Amino acid sequence: NAGVTQTPKFQVLKTGQSMTLQCAQDMNHEYMSWYRQDPGMGLRLIHYSVGAGITDQGEVPNGYNVSRSTTEDFPLRLLSAAPSQTSVYFCASSYVAGGENYGYTFGSGTRLTVV
Amino acid sequence: LAKTTQPISMDSYEGQEVNITCSHNNIATNDYITWYQQFPSQGPRFIIQGYKTKVTNEVASLFIPADRKSSTLSLPRVSLSDTAVYYCLGGQGFSFIFGKGTRLLVKP
Repeated sequence: NAGVTQTPKFQVLKTGQSMTLQCAQDMNHEYMSWYRQDPGMGLRLIHYSVGAGITDQGEVPNGYNVSRSTTEDFPLRLLSAAPSQTSVYFCASSYVAGGENYGYTFGSGTRLTVV
Repeated sequence: LAKTTQPISMDSYEGQEVNITCSHNNIATNDYITWYQQFPSQGPRFIIQGYKTKVTNEVASLFIPADRKSSTLSLPRVSLSDTAVYYCLGGQGFSFIFGKGTRLLVKP
């Protein structure tokens, strides 16, 4: 099925460990984003990409790295996990043309706990 | 980026029409208004998007007055399954900011 696939669905890390959250989409969307959502909160933008080889920071980029080597994949790397990064992470992609965003498609999320 | 303001929560009953209003006083000329729905443990789902006047699809209607400083999402005849958080966003291209949304509770 077409859409955004995130792996893993659940992850527990120890403080200081690093890991990569995977995100892949098969809709040939140029725009991809990573959000985090804390309990009872809205989504906050971490990083985004407007195409392969182009990334930029969002609202809360500290502690995270991204790269975009292909249109399909947009991995999010946690450099040194901290308890404050315990959250649910969502990846999204969208098609934009003529300035109009035709709506984000979100993945099902990765629930990360840092102990 | 457009900052939006929505009610934190709303209650309704099955079969009623629900209207959720969003304020976006600093919306830019080229910004669209978009609404998303999020169920627990799921990613947000696109509902509807508009620029001005009225847009309708099979799920909802979106009303945007001429000054575009606010918008209203209308959900006709809600059911229990419409219980969710609804987000109003203003922006264009890739620059969208999600607020805390409106938590809608539909009661039997």
